[in-house]
Amino acid sequence: KAGVTQTPRYLIKTRGQQVTLSCSPISGHRSVSWYQQTPGQGLQFLFEYFSETQRNKGNFPGRFSGRQFSNSRSEMNVSTLELGDSALYLCASSPSGVGYGYTFGSGTRLTVV
Amino acid sequence: GESVGLHLPTLSVQEGDNSIINCAYSNSASDYFIWYKQESGKGPQFIIDIRSNMDKRQGQRVTVLLNKTVKHLSLQIAATQPGDSAVYFCAEKVEGSYIPTFGRGTSLIVHP
Repeated sequence: KAGVTQTPRYLIKTRGQQVTLSCSPISGHRSVSWYQQTPGQGLQFLFEYFSETQRNKGNFPGRFSGRQFSNSRSEMNVSTLELGDSALYLCASSPSGVGYGYTFGSGTRLTVV
Repeated sequence: GESVGLHLPTLSVQEGDNSIINCAYSNSASDYFIWYKQESGKGPQFIIDIRSNMDKRQGQRVTVLLNKTVKHLSLQIAATQPGDSAVYFCAEKVEGSYIPTFGRGTSLIVHP
């Protein structure tokens, strides 16, 4: 079956702009989690959505937001981009979201210039 | 390819050797542990997991050992191959939590 699909794979944005990233989970998976990966901080949890509701949130500023649609597809948005937002953004889906059965996508590489 | 982690601990081994990657976890309430492999330009890929009621679990060429006394987890890879070169992450999940917490990762380099 198809894996977790993230689009786009690469993005270059300018400081101050906003960006929207998309994640299509594995069919049947209802939980989608987002992570930011940087060389300095490793994998940092952003938020998790389950059945269109944000169930968990990490320690990121309000510029980072997300949503989940009825088909479980998820988007995350970053507004007023800063240079430090440059990172690999990873999406992971799981059937129930209790930490079991995580499957990651290949990520979106965001570069802010 | 892209580097997924700079300044990571690095383990260099020769092809055919056994590799041991270690991970110290932080929370004694963690009840589930996972090892992931991340190759350059890709997302993390599940390798093996273990629950806290076990000390050891084996997969194909991989073994995970859990020592709850000292909060230590290790991943053993038998007969390491060049294709095993990647960054390896451990993750822990606290009982009752929905979200695993990831360690910083170890870079494994396998020399032919």
